[in-house]
Amino acid sequence: DQQVKQNSPSLSVQEGRISILNCDYTNSMFDYFLWYKKYPAEGPTFLISISSIKDKNEDGRFTVFLNKSAKHLSLHIVPSQPGDSAVYFCAAVLYGGSYIPTFGRGTSLIVHP
Amino acid sequence: NAGVTQTPKFRVLKTGQSMTLLCAQDMNHEYMYWYRQDPGMGLRLIHYSVGEGTTAKGEVPDGYNVSRLKKQNFLLGLESAAPSQTSVYFCASRLLQTSTDTQYFGPGTRLTVL
Repeated sequence: DQQVKQNSPSLSVQEGRISILNCDYTNSMFDYFLWYKKYPAEGPTFLISISSIKDKNEDGRFTVFLNKSAKHLSLHIVPSQPGDSAVYFCAAVLYGGSYIPTFGRGTSLIVHP
Repeated sequence: NAGVTQTPKFRVLKTGQSMTLLCAQDMNHEYMYWYRQDPGMGLRLIHYSVGEGTTAKGEVPDGYNVSRLKKQNFLLGLESAAPSQTSVYFCASRLLQTSTDTQYFGPGTRLTVL
């Protein structure tokens, strides 16, 4: 049973507009959440993270929002650029034990020029 | 700094053959991980290691073995390859200084088992 779900396998957005990628989780014990970006034929790279004590974290064009009561997080990219076209993975971690992230299945973002 | 490197990048095996995938990191990271990525399945953890000489099973360990004899290397072995092991394999490493240190991934090994 998936503990971290990315229900949209793909998302298509026009350049300059906002991209919103969503992620839901079922385990309320998760403390820390991350987004990774993956280009074809490359390994995932860390993008942005958020601790469960916050509801928002911003880094340039990327903002992650966390709604703990809804067990939902989202990644906003504003403005979207063609270079943002990639697969985005959401991951969640439990503090206190071995650092073993649980990954979602990914959302493929395509940003059209 | 090369970061995390994986050898080989591509490999084709016949059913029943064996092979070892090598992961090396030069960042003095304590944690190392092996994942597989299949279409529509995200990243699934095979085995991981929290330090030299230690290994543990992940979500999908069957058919794989690992060893961490040196801190910088994490080997993934397939003793008798099966078509179900056709996948892209990613290695990752992580420093153990703070609870928010993230993982660094290698470029992947694409394995096909015929």
